[in-house]
Amino acid sequence: KNEVEQSPQNLTAQEGEFITINCSYSVGISALHWLQQHPGGGIVSLFMLSSGKKKHGRLIATINIQEKHSSLHITASHPRDSAVYICAVSPGETSGSRLTFGEGTQLTVNP
Amino acid sequence: NAGVMQNPRHLVRRRGQEARLRCSPMKGHSHVYWYRQLPEEGLKFMVYLQKENIIDESGMPKERFSAEFPKEGPSILRIQQVVRGDSAAYFCASRTGAASTQKQYFGPGTRLTVT
Repeated sequence: KNEVEQSPQNLTAQEGEFITINCSYSVGISALHWLQQHPGGGIVSLFMLSSGKKKHGRLIATINIQEKHSSLHITASHPRDSAVYICAVSPGETSGSRLTFGEGTQLTVNP
Repeated sequence: NAGVMQNPRHLVRRRGQEARLRCSPMKGHSHVYWYRQLPEEGLKFMVYLQKENIIDESGMPKERFSAEFPKEGPSILRIQQVVRGDSAAYFCASRTGAASTQKQYFGPGTRLTVT
């Protein structure tokens, strides 16, 4: 079993829909990251969080440390949101540790 | 402030040749990570370096792979005697040395194809 599990693996939505991607992890962490990988392959860090909730534009990330679960929400989705969304954790209690990644969620938003 | 730079972006090598992948971290960043993404697979950690030191190489294959981050110049990931299974995208990421932050900034990746 992977230390980081994401669901769903694939997600297709219509423009304007509200989207949720889930991430569960099985190890102690110091931080959880949400990343975006575009078709060209580049990776962008969207959020890093260790508690609560963060919001940036139409993106919202939440984390529940007790349940070892995080969600990434996209409001009013747009075709340009189409990408692979990757959940990653920094295992352990100290900073600087390497990231462990989920398999990613392929999101396709149709116009 | 330029982002993390990687070169080359695309590299083609024949089986048995050597591949050298370079990563220049963001200015002021002294910590570098290398990750590998095999075709149709997720990202996997390879090695974590600080200037002149390897901190964690638990993800590196035991043979043919090495990494360095010298006092001056970029970090280098070196793969000797490449095989077809080494074909992948190799990403580096960097961060500052501040203990309070763990955000990593990713480079665009080097796509290695072994023929």
